Amino acid sequence: EIVLTQSPEFQSVSPKEKVTITCRASQSLGRSLHWYQQKPDQSPKLLIRYASQSFSGVPSRFSGSGSGTEFTLTINSLEAEDAATYYCHQSSNLPRTFGQGTKLEIK
Amino acid sequence: QVQLVQSGAEVRKPGASVKISCKASGYTFTSHSIHWLRQAPGQGLEWLGWINAANGNTDSSQKIQDRVTITRDTSASTAYMEVIRLTSEDTAVYYCTRGADGSSWSDLDFWGQGTLVTVSS
Repeated sequence: EIVLTQSPEFQSVSPKEKVTITCRASQSLGRSLHWYQQKPDQSPKLLIRYASQSFSGVPSRFSGSGSGTEFTLTINSLEAEDAATYYCHQSSNLPRTFGQGTKLEIK
Repeated sequence: QVQLVQSGAEVRKPGASVKISCKASGYTFTSHSIHWLRQAPGQGLEWLGWINAANGNTDSSQKIQDRVTITRDTSASTAYMEVIRLTSEDTAVYYCTRGADGSSWSDLDFWGQGTLVTVSS
């Protein structure tokens, strides 16, 4: 099974700052890597699909990049509502797998 | 709009089984796959399996495949997941989620609200 490793696991950031979350895969995914946001007691929501395509309705401050084994989620000009846990997810191979999550705290 | 509405919370004793439903609306049910995942308290997301809603083909995680059955009723636009021989380690919120297309490799674009399953004696 493909292992996804996110870093950092926790980050505390002030509003308006820029955040970068990395996801590394144990084998090449091409661009079959997606990013989700999960707020407490809510279902995950799709942010970025296939490494860099923004999902409908997602604010433009969220962007993704990468291919192969290294991917990045960037949040520009952080807002208070961005406090959440972020997960990367691969759809290249079964079983589907997720990163362990990055918890983002807003100072 | 696309909606996935799951059945309500369940409490089961160890050794029992549970069947969760996921009713889809707002799109053509057979044009998209349905995946099932779970999240144990305070933990991350674990993929359990998927069903091709058009032809009913399924696949599931080796970890749980001998205990899980995924089915669908196209006339009701509803998918189901049954888990048998429950243990306390199955206590989790279970999610159904829609694949963006009918394949096994699409992203998961819309999610149900989650169903809490508690296994306790």
